[in-house]
Amino acid sequence: QKEVEQDPGPLSVPEGAIVSLNCTYSNSAFQYFMWYRQYSRKGPELLMYTYSSGNKEDGRFTAQVDKSSKYISLFIRDSQPSDSATYLCAMSKNSGGSNYKLTFGKGTLLTVNP
Amino acid sequence: GAVVSQHPSRVICKSGTSVKIECRSLDFQATTMFWYRQFPKQSLMLMATSNEGSKATYEQGVEKDKFLINHASLTLSTLTVTSAHPEDSSFYICSALHVSDYNEQFFGPGTRLTVL
Repeated sequence: QKEVEQDPGPLSVPEGAIVSLNCTYSNSAFQYFMWYRQYSRKGPELLMYTYSSGNKEDGRFTAQVDKSSKYISLFIRDSQPSDSATYLCAMSKNSGGSNYKLTFGKGTLLTVNP
Repeated sequence: GAVVSQHPSRVICKSGTSVKIECRSLDFQATTMFWYRQFPKQSLMLMATSNEGSKATYEQGVEKDKFLINHASLTLSTLTVTSAHPEDSSFYICSALHVSDYNEQFFGPGTRLTVL
């Protein structure tokens, strides 16, 4: 079993739809959770960063963490064609220090059709 | 956000040659940088953690003699793929750790390596 599981999609939605992206993980040591957006042939950029269970909202994006279920989600409201990209979840056991590293999901390819 | 650059963005080389990829943090100092590789439709796989002034820490299964990492300054880390083979063809991405409340990793735009 991989440490982080993410459905690679692809996911295709019409403009304006609500998008739900999810990841599950097996290692309860993960404490910090992130969502990255990666456009084709570019490096990832950080969208959301969460630590505790619960919701965090930033504009059209909402990140949700359920540590008891080892499940995280990213919701995109009023999706736009410019949101078309690969979305990667990532998590870490600590926030820094000598052993700090991120473990990524496989990424979900999202296409928002105008 | 902070900016990380990579050079070159794309390189094609013959089998057996060595290729050097540079990763620079342009507007902050980074004592820690990371090197990843990403195959098509696959996730980012951490290859090694690069620490300024000390030896890199390699992930299990990554050959340290093949992937040489040098972090000579607080703004530059280099990855050299030695004696490259076609199976080394991949997308190599670096990131630099910006120490703050979030300790965020800022990623470079990646380098597409093709070994013929």
